[in-house]
Amino acid sequence: DAMVIQNPRYQVTQFGKPVTLSCSQTLNHNVMYWYQQKSSQAPKLLFHYYDKDFNNEADTPDNFQSRRPNTSFCFLDIRSPGLGDAAMYLCATSRNAASAQETQYFGPGTRLLVL
Amino acid sequence: GENVEQHPSTLSVQEGDSAVIKCTYSDSASNYFPWYKQELGKRPQLIIDIRSNVGEKKDQRIAVTLNKTAKHFSLHITETQPEDSAVYFCAANFGGGADGLTFGKGTHLIIQP
Repeated sequence: DAMVIQNPRYQVTQFGKPVTLSCSQTLNHNVMYWYQQKSSQAPKLLFHYYDKDFNNEADTPDNFQSRRPNTSFCFLDIRSPGLGDAAMYLCATSRNAASAQETQYFGPGTRLLVL
Repeated sequence: GENVEQHPSTLSVQEGDSAVIKCTYSDSASNYFPWYKQELGKRPQLIIDIRSNVGEKKDQRIAVTLNKTAKHFSLHITETQPEDSAVYFCAANFGGGADGLTFGKGTHLIIQP
């Protein structure tokens, strides 16, 4: 079941201290997404990579950045975490042909705690 | 912007009865509608999805119906079992493309023994 892998599963950081969350996939999917899910809420899309093309959501704070060095890996960087950034961060992948949305497969998530 | 409304927020049914969760969406270009099940502390798991070129899809005890004209879709679970207890999210792709999903707020389904 380890098709979309996220590390670490739990991350504790200090207020304002940069943190990086990691996602890797063995599915060779061309699209990778990052979602933020706060307690008792729905997942909310932050951004996604369509191959190497980065697509940011309009309401994603500048504090959140992403990198995708190759097909398999994608990183979420939070430059200056605030208390409000404590959440589960979910990575998802899909294999999209042209502009059609295909099934998204989610990783187990990284739960971020900001002290 | 894109919006997906989901009802009810909590649904309690007796084991063996059916459960129905309803969603409406605002973007008429949306053409892909998945349903995810999420257990506490775990990842969302796809349970069924439907595309706009069909009106109904069934997989054993789970079915989804879509009314594109009215822009609503529903999840139907029959013969509910205790392991069906979880939070269920509906979603739709915005713009009809591959740019990601907008999720409903979720329904906490409780199966009473």
